[in-house]
Amino acid sequence: SAVISQKPSRDICQRGTSLTIQCQVDSQVTMMFWYRQQPGQSLTLIATANQGSEATYESGFVIDKFPISRPNLTFSTLTVSNMSPEDSSIYLCSVEYPSTADNEQFFGPGTRLTVL
Amino acid sequence: QQQVKQSPQSLIVQKGGISIINCAYENTAFDYFPWYQQFPGKGPALLIAIRPDVSEKKEGRFTISFNKSAKQFSLHIMDSQPGDSATYFCAGPGAGSYQLTFGKGTKLSVIP
Repeated sequence: SAVISQKPSRDICQRGTSLTIQCQVDSQVTMMFWYRQQPGQSLTLIATANQGSEATYESGFVIDKFPISRPNLTFSTLTVSNMSPEDSSIYLCSVEYPSTADNEQFFGPGTRLTVL
Repeated sequence: QQQVKQSPQSLIVQKGGISIINCAYENTAFDYFPWYQQFPGKGPALLIAIRPDVSEKKEGRFTISFNKSAKQFSLHIMDSQPGDSATYFCAGPGAGSYQLTFGKGTKLSVIP
């Protein structure tokens, strides 16, 4: 399985500020995904990030609010912009390993964000 | 539109008992059904997965049963242990080729 790290692991931020979350993978992967998990809830896909192309956003999520970078095959960032308390969630990156036959996705440990 | 419906929302099982979590899906094009296990403060971890060409897959104490005609699949945890206490998510392929759509989760508590 993949070894995925995220930074920061948690943060407390003020309303109106922005936070950039980093996701690092131990090997090259094509598909990376960013999810949001609100307290006690399921996982909701924010966007799919492929290296060399613009991220694809799901309904309800826009690039101005959640800009994503994917500069290479092992790294991605998600920025939560102009934050409000409603953005308080766990943000998770995941990857799909190209060597697996199925759509096996592996998740990072998550970034727990609290917006005051 | 919820594509994967999971039940129950919470489950309490005695140590040594069998835990059963059910999921129903709508999209008959689904061909991959994983289960994830999530402990508090951690990311979800892939537990076990099945493709619809088999009706059952077993890995240790964890078994997936798949009923294609009923469009249902379930996770069975045999000899449940307190260390199994976690939230379990079923999933199926999402709108895109590589996406996953998740059930709402089942919080399992295994009591001694």
